[in-house]
Amino acid sequence: NAGVMQNPRHLVRRRGQEARLRCSPMKGHSHVYWYRQLPEEGLKFMVYLQKENIIDESGMPKERFSAEFPKEGPSILRIQQVVRGDSAAYFCASSPQGTTEAFFGQGTRLTVV
Amino acid sequence: DQQVKQNSPSLSVQEGRISILNCDYTNSMFDYFLWYKKYPAEGPTFLISISSIKDKNEDGRFTVFLNKSAKHLSLHIVPSQPGDSAVYFCAASVEGGYQKVTFGTGTKLQVIP
Repeated sequence: NAGVMQNPRHLVRRRGQEARLRCSPMKGHSHVYWYRQLPEEGLKFMVYLQKENIIDESGMPKERFSAEFPKEGPSILRIQQVVRGDSAAYFCASSPQGTTEAFFGQGTRLTVV
Repeated sequence: DQQVKQNSPSLSVQEGRISILNCDYTNSMFDYFLWYKKYPAEGPTFLISISSIKDKNEDGRFTVFLNKSAKHLSLHIVPSQPGDSAVYFCAASVEGGYQKVTFGTGTKLQVIP
């Protein structure tokens, strides 16, 4: 049973480009969470999704960021027109139910140059 | 507004001794607390949790203590081992909802052989 898979592990984008981060939850998990860790900070909640639904996006910046978790395929975190301040580690976690401990992926480290 | 605080960014402990990691929170709505362990270039791994109806939870070498009146919790590791060297994150959430946790900034533990 593979763990939470995130790809790519490292992503370099120039300012103004788009970044797409993928997360495949553990088998049987239908709840996905995205967190962002800025340098020297803790993880900050961004968004919570179930299949085809965004449940809570209170941690998402209002502009340029979007997330989806389609019926088939991985969850995608999309950042449009990236800026240097978007450079961070983005972690995805999944759980079988919304009230249980979540399992984290290894993260995607985004660097905006 | 940092609702979960880990005031010690780092801690060094001799192998075999006790490691005590501390965490304070400000939001009285939190009633479920978790500790995660994180190695470099990996995602956080769930370690141990405690519900607010308890004041202590033990799992092998790891014990978490909760003092609700002081809004304080601590993680005790005894005996400490070199493999315990990692960053430890305290996290809190409202039980009965979903796994939207608020993380502290982490404490880097170094266990010296």
